[in-house]
Amino acid sequence: NAGVTQTPKFQVLKTGQSMTLQCAQDMNHNSMYWYRQDPGMGLRLIYYSASEGTTDKGEVPNGYNVSRLNKREFSLRLESAAPSQTSVYFCASSEVGGSPLHFGNGTRLTVT
Amino acid sequence: KNQVEQSPQSLIILEGKNCTLQCNYTVSPFSNLRWYKQDTGRGPVSLTIMTFSENTKSNGRYTATLDADTKQSSLHITASQLSDSASYICVVTLMNRDDKIIFGKGTRLHILP
Repeated sequence: NAGVTQTPKFQVLKTGQSMTLQCAQDMNHNSMYWYRQDPGMGLRLIYYSASEGTTDKGEVPNGYNVSRLNKREFSLRLESAAPSQTSVYFCASSEVGGSPLHFGNGTRLTVT
Repeated sequence: KNQVEQSPQSLIILEGKNCTLQCNYTVSPFSNLRWYKQDTGRGPVSLTIMTFSENTKSNGRYTATLDADTKQSSLHITASQLSDSASYICVVTLMNRDDKIIFGKGTRLHILP
């Protein structure tokens, strides 16, 4: 039982490049989330998916897209990376909204 | 505006000592409050959860309290250990259709040997 698995762990991009961050959970959770964490800012919600087949914008969605591929997987795509997207990205899942969040160990992204 | 404020921003104590971290929230309607521990380079992990009707919850050496009237919570760590060095994040869930989650910015705790 791995919990929430994120790949890659580290990534360096040049401005304008694209990439997809992958997330998978094996707890049969309905809800999945993408957050970014910046120094002094706390965790901010980018997108979430309350159930398979649905996605909704969070607090800071600009510059990102998501896909809830199936119940297990929720990916985050940066179409044209910008230095402002340098951050640590966390994927999380929960059984339902309001239940405890289970986080992955993050992807550290640097955009130069 | 729904907000969660934590204090202090950082704290340094000696191993074996006790400490208390504070969380004030202006969130309505309130559903529950959780404390998470985040080790360096890892994702946050849930420590405790309290609903409106609960005023204390323990998890080993961690004890969380909640005063729903003053909208304050605290996390007390007893007999600190080096492994307690981490960030502690206060998280409040709203009781609404979307179960919106509001994160505090965390308190960074350093335990010195």
